Amino acid sequence: GAGVSQSPSNKVTEKGKDVELRCDPISGHTALYWYRQRLGQGLEFLIYFQGNSAPDKSGLPSDRFSAERTGESVSTLTIQRTQQEDSAVYLCASSLSTYSYEQYFGPGTRLTVT
Amino acid sequence: GENVEQHPSTLSVQEGDSAVIKCTYSDSASNYFPWYKQELGKRPQLIIDIRSNVGEKKDQRIAVTLNKTAKHFSLHITETQPEDSAVYFCAASSSGFNDYKLSFGAGTTVTVRA
Repeated sequence: GAGVSQSPSNKVTEKGKDVELRCDPISGHTALYWYRQRLGQGLEFLIYFQGNSAPDKSGLPSDRFSAERTGESVSTLTIQRTQQEDSAVYLCASSLSTYSYEQYFGPGTRLTVT
Repeated sequence: GENVEQHPSTLSVQEGDSAVIKCTYSDSASNYFPWYKQELGKRPQLIIDIRSNVGEKKDQRIAVTLNKTAKHFSLHITETQPEDSAVYFCAASSSGFNDYKLSFGAGTTVTVRA
């Protein structure tokens, strides 16, 4: 079946602009995660959604970052007033539930802030 | 929170030799340990995982071992092939109701020399 998809695949924006990144999880997956991966580094947890529960935003690096999810479908990650240090690949992952553990990753959105 | 350390950061092996990557974790409550492979420009993909009720798991040329007492786990790749060249990430997670987050190591870049 279809995997996790993300759009856009690449985004170049000017410092100070807002950007919105989109994630479509695998159908039926109730859990959705956002990660940030800076060049040559590991994956940094940002935020987690599970069904209709309140999201865990503990990984968001600043109040410029926010995310929403509509039910158990699409999620958007918004970065306001982008800074150069926001440049990274933003990865989305979904899993069947909290207890199924295995996370399936999307291809990522490469964000470049100039 | 959980802290995962991964060594080495880079590993070069001759084709046909074995590769070993080691990770340590800090949270004794962690009980799920996946390994992800990320090829250049691609998404991370789960290659093997282990839960704390077993000490070793094998899948063809890949094996993972877990030592809960010492809080470390390792990935072993035997008979390495050029297609094994990639970045490998270990991760750890616990199974509590709200403990869904994967904490990732910084990654190991494996290069298999032909």
